[in-house]
Amino acid sequence: KAGVTQTPRYLIKTRGQQVTLSCSPISGHRSVSWYQQTPGQGLQFLFEYFSETQRNKGNFPGRFSGRQFSNSRSEMNVSTLELGDSALYLCASSSRQGVYNEQFFGPGTRLTVL
Amino acid sequence: AQSVTQLGSHVSVSEGALVLLRCNYSSSVPPYLFWYVQYPNQGLQLLLKYTTGATLVKGINGFEAEFKKSETSFHLTKPSAHMSDAAEYFCAVSDLRSGGSNYKLTFGKGTLLTVNP
Repeated sequence: KAGVTQTPRYLIKTRGQQVTLSCSPISGHRSVSWYQQTPGQGLQFLFEYFSETQRNKGNFPGRFSGRQFSNSRSEMNVSTLELGDSALYLCASSSRQGVYNEQFFGPGTRLTVL
Repeated sequence: AQSVTQLGSHVSVSEGALVLLRCNYSSSVPPYLFWYVQYPNQGLQLLLKYTTGATLVKGINGFEAEFKKSETSFHLTKPSAHMSDAAEYFCAVSDLRSGGSNYKLTFGKGTLLTVNP
């Protein structure tokens, strides 16, 4: 079975721009979660989608949004980028809803905001 | 709010030595507890998890962890370190939010393990 894939792997943007990151979960997995990883804040939960609905949300501003498609693929969008948004964004998929279930992580998308 | 503290951002051991990575949590309800490992340029991989039942949990690659409620700890151990164990390790806690079935996963800041030959 193919693992979780994330595209692109690396991205460079400037302040004020917006960005869309993509995540394809493991085949058959319907839950997709997103995390932000930075040296200062560590790993922080952004949100979880299950069956095209956001089920769970972390403490991030509304500039961070996401969606999930009927094939379970998910996208995350960040609008009006700030320098502090530079981070590794990780996507994780699971066969069941709820982040307490085993999650399988992708390699991440490294976003640099200049 | 729940929190996770990993004592020691960097732990260095010799090959063959005991590995002990410490994790303490705060949670108002019985938590689910996890250890994840992250190798360079990769995502996280689940090592082991505690939900209910036996407090000593065995995971992959020879790792195990013990849930101690009285100490609010979930330390990760491995009797004999291998060079391939060098990675960053994250402890995580999930508990039930009030009023719903959503679980929030909170990670510690991570512990970088280096293994010296």
